[in-house]
Parts: sequence; C-alpha cells; structure tokens
Amino acid sequence: SQKIEQNSEALNIQEGKTATLTCNYTNYSPAYLQWYRQDPGRGPVFLLLIRENEKEKRKERLKVTFDTTLKQSLFHITASQPADSATYLCALLYGGSQGNLIFGKGTKLSVKP
Amino acid sequence: KAGVTQTPRYLIKTRGQQVTLSCSPISGHRSVSWYQQTPGQGLQFLFEYFSETQRNKGNFPGRFSGRQFSNSRSEMNVSTLELGDSALYLCASSFAGGGHYEQYFGPGTRLTVT
Repeated sequence: SQKIEQNSEALNIQEGKTATLTCNYTNYSPAYLQWYRQDPGRGPVFLLLIRENEKEKRKERLKVTFDTTLKQSLFHITASQPADSATYLCALLYGGSQGNLIFGKGTKLSVKP
Repeated sequence: KAGVTQTPRYLIKTRGQQVTLSCSPISGHRSVSWYQQTPGQGLQFLFEYFSETQRNKGNFPGRFSGRQFSNSRSEMNVSTLELGDSALYLCASSFAGGGHYEQYFGPGTRLTVT
C-alpha cells in the first residue's frame, strides 16, 4: 500500500532563514501532492497543490518541488517568520482519480526570533 | 463564504456509548470527508461522501459509519465507543472530491472517551 513519510518530526530554525521540509512516498507516484498547515487545536489549511508533471510551484514565500524519480516533495519557506511556526502536512492522492487523500504525520516547524 | 462548521466542538463520552458528530460543508461543496487525528497515528481517512453516496472508505471498523444529506451536510456515528476512539475528528469539504481538489477543514470535534 502507499506510504507517505515526513522525515522530520520537528524542525527548529532561526527567523529569516529558509525552512525545508521533506515528504517521501513509496510505491506509485501520485497524480497530485498537496501541502497543508495545521495550527494547534485547528483543522489543516490548504497551502499548495502540485501535479506530477510540474517540477515546481510557488506562492509568495512558499515553494514546492515534486521529483517523481526520487519519489519526494520538498516544501520551502523562505525568509521564515515566527508566525510560520506550525505543523506542515503533506498529502497525496490514493486510489485513482476519485480516490482520497492520505496524509503524512507532519513536521512541526518552530521559527525562533 | 462561511467555512466548514462542526458540532459539537468538544465531547466526553463513556466506553460503550455511541456518538454522532455533525459537519456542515462550505456552500456548493458536494464532497465531505472525515478524518481521525491522534498524536500517534496522525490524520487517518475514515470515509468520503459525495452526493449522498459513500465513495471511499478507510480502514476503520464497522463501528464507524456516516451519511450525507441532500443539502450536503454530513454526520458520522461511532457506536460502542472504546478508549482508543479518543481523538480529534475532522471534517473536510471540497468542490468535487477526490484528492486532486484542495480540502477545506473544519475546526474538528475533540472526543474524549473515559
């Protein structure tokens, strides 16, 4: 079955630096991969979606890459701020075009001033 | 547009009881998915409903069930509660469902089973 792993449970960085989070998956490459942000006590919030034929996607200070050869997605936050502190989840489509999302367990990012 | 709402926000139940959770999706969204989130297992997919039909189901026992009404509102039910059912239950809606559409999550229902 498809598995999705986010290598780091926690990542601590200094304000202003670039945070890089990793998401790896096994088996087949999904058609889509999504990234979400979750704050304590709240539901996840959608950030970015990247398709398998897209190498890179950007949105303001966020950048996502998708490497189907490595079976990996990288999520970058440039010029990080303390307000970026949260848990970031990657999710991929499982079960065909009408399938559901399966989520990684998340990486908790802490940005120190 | 109003976001996804879930009721109740917090619930305390006793082992063996049953519970019903409610979710109102964003207006116009026909797909509603339910997830269980625990510290150990993370976010796990329970089921998805689209136009009142269950379209996908996760790997949970039959004690977990759900339904969707004609107005897209959804409920999930857990019967014969176990201590391990304590979790945050999240509902998410999307326009057409399937994992290639972004999902909009509600705030969740925190269920505690004692």
